Amino acid sequence: EDKVVQSPLSLVVHEGDTVTLNCSYEVTNFRSLLWYKQEKKAPTFLFMLTSSGIEKKSGRLSSILDKKELFSILNITATQTGDSAIYLCAVRSGGTSYGKLTFGQGTILTVHP
Amino acid sequence: GAVVSQHPSRVICKSGTSVKIECRSLDFQATTMFWYRQFPKKSLMLMATSNEGSKATYEQGVEKDKFLINHASLTLSTLTVTSAHPEDSSFYICSATTSQGSNSPLHFGNGTRLTVT
Repeated sequence: EDKVVQSPLSLVVHEGDTVTLNCSYEVTNFRSLLWYKQEKKAPTFLFMLTSSGIEKKSGRLSSILDKKELFSILNITATQTGDSAIYLCAVRSGGTSYGKLTFGQGTILTVHP
Repeated sequence: GAVVSQHPSRVICKSGTSVKIECRSLDFQATTMFWYRQFPKKSLMLMATSNEGSKATYEQGVEKDKFLINHASLTLSTLTVTSAHPEDSSFYICSATTSQGSNSPLHFGNGTRLTVT
């Protein structure tokens, strides 16, 4: 059974801190790993990673994948209160059609002013 | 681009009634749509995968007769919760992908908060 595990499950920091969120996985026929941010409604897409060692960056957020060790990290530098959200890691796997997207439990990030 | 619209955003119904939730891809053709369920402060649990013109594939433990999924066109999938019970109260989210077999990210609807009284 495909498994995606995120850590920590929750994190409380102050504005300006840097955080690192972890995601490890065990899946059959890995295709890609995706990070999403979820506030009150639907998850919004952050990054999709398919290759090891190539960092993806968007503003203060960055992410990298290690396919040998089967994990990914999401970094947020200079955190702001608007970064407070649930961060979801999902892994796409399977060989047929679109495959299957399995989500981790999520990391609840709270940024205090 | 890649907007997914889900309706209604919130519904309250009585136990025993059925509720239909619609998921539309507004500016692309979605050959595959997914339905997820999310409990408070928990992650998304995949319920079923819906391909246009064919029967949905349900995940283990999800009752097909309880959660009816129809994907009649490339832009619309519906989830009907039949004979709803209070334990069906949850947040239901649909998502869609732009093309079958691609590696494009999923785009999510805004979800439907179902409360069964």
